[in-house]
Amino acid sequence: GAVVSQHPSRVICKSGTSVKIECRSLDFQATTMFWYRQFPKQSLMLMATSNEGSKATYEQGVEKDKFLINHASLTLSTLTVTSAHPEDSSFYICSARDIRTGRSIYFGEGSWLTVV
Amino acid sequence: AQTVTQSQPEMSVQEAETVTLSCTYDTSESDYYLFWYKQPPSRQMILVIRQEAYKQQNATENRFSVNFQKAAKSFSLKISDSQLGDAAMYFCAYRGGGADGLTFGKGTHLIIQP
Repeated sequence: GAVVSQHPSRVICKSGTSVKIECRSLDFQATTMFWYRQFPKQSLMLMATSNEGSKATYEQGVEKDKFLINHASLTLSTLTVTSAHPEDSSFYICSARDIRTGRSIYFGEGSWLTVV
Repeated sequence: AQTVTQSQPEMSVQEAETVTLSCTYDTSESDYYLFWYKQPPSRQMILVIRQEAYKQQNATENRFSVNFQKAAKSFSLKISDSQLGDAAMYFCAYRGGGADGLTFGKGTHLIIQP
């Protein structure tokens, strides 16, 4: 089946620094990718929709200047957490929509971010 | 805004038995999709089953089936012949016909008793 890869799977960064998480569709093209956040023992919350070649659409309450999303190609979207704080520590997971079908959505393995 | 409600934080079932996980949703759209995802401890999201709202027939995938009641906005998941590998968090999710991202319920932790 289709594969979406996230990197890094785990990252620890210091408060005040920025960290980038990549989401790649390995065997299909994705015009649209989605970024979710999941706190421990909670559900996934949609943060933003990433569209190739255009600005991301952020959900209400998500700071666009803090969570920078770039979708520069049909196979890569990146999420950069800027000026990270301990409360940004969470599990971040992306999903990608297959351009060929438009219906199929595939999830990455997720990335654990710990801010110390 | 759409909402998805899973009223069962945790469910337990004996191995080989049948269990039903409930999900209700609220929407004003007529065209939408519903999903059940499984999230094991690895955190990988695994699609269990999907249902298009325009289809009256309930979706089935081997031991997994849904009871889709559109008028009641209910979308329950039935797992037959439960196996130890079915133990996981199960999330009900909604997607509008406009190709938006998914709205998830809070999840149900399914425990399989050997």
